[in-house]
Amino acid sequence: SQQGEEDPQALSIQEGENATMNCSYKTSINNLQWYRQNSGRGLVHLILIRSNEREKHSGRLRVTLDTSKKSSSLLITASRAADTASYFCATGGSNYQLIWGAGTKLIIKP
Amino acid sequence: DAGVIQSPRHEVTEMGQEVTLRCKPISGHNSLFWYRQTMMRGLELLIYFNNNVPIDDSGMPEDRFSAKMPNASFSTLKIQPSEPRDSAVYFCASTWGAGTQETQYFGPGTRLLVL
Repeated sequence: SQQGEEDPQALSIQEGENATMNCSYKTSINNLQWYRQNSGRGLVHLILIRSNEREKHSGRLRVTLDTSKKSSSLLITASRAADTASYFCATGGSNYQLIWGAGTKLIIKP
Repeated sequence: DAGVIQSPRHEVTEMGQEVTLRCKPISGHNSLFWYRQTMMRGLELLIYFNNNVPIDDSGMPEDRFSAKMPNASFSTLKIQPSEPRDSAVYFCASTWGAGTQETQYFGPGTRLLVL
């Protein structure tokens, strides 16, 4: 079952601009993770934020988590052509299972 | 370190044939997941193994699907007989611990087309 809902479903921006993607979820979580999937490839983990954290950075990535609103955002700054991919959020709860969103397709135009 | 290894990368078969997908998890990982990805249904968890034992196979679509993990370094997902609606990309992922608190590491996937 899919809990996370990414917004927007698709995003097209110019190279150098910032890209923001959002994820909403329904139940309580222990952590929220963001993954990237390049066309024809497997998913690659980008960042994990725990339920007691509000913000986390990794290079050009910034993730925020608002547990009161059950939402998270992923910001990619100074986008590059290589950032073109689909981005998925996944929530971890009380058991082994990650609940996946449907993904945001990001296109960076040169 | 090698990542998760899956084979074959592509498989084209005819309806009714048996298909076997293979996965080698990252050494030291004790949790293994099989996923299926389609445009219509997104990423679906098929089965989860922990310490080589199937913990949850509720995502396996029907009896035509079976999965085994005979040891910590090898798992198979078998479809017999295959049907056109099984066409999808199948991913194997591994991690350590009980899974949910940790990053999952995905293989490159097997793209299956059933004609």
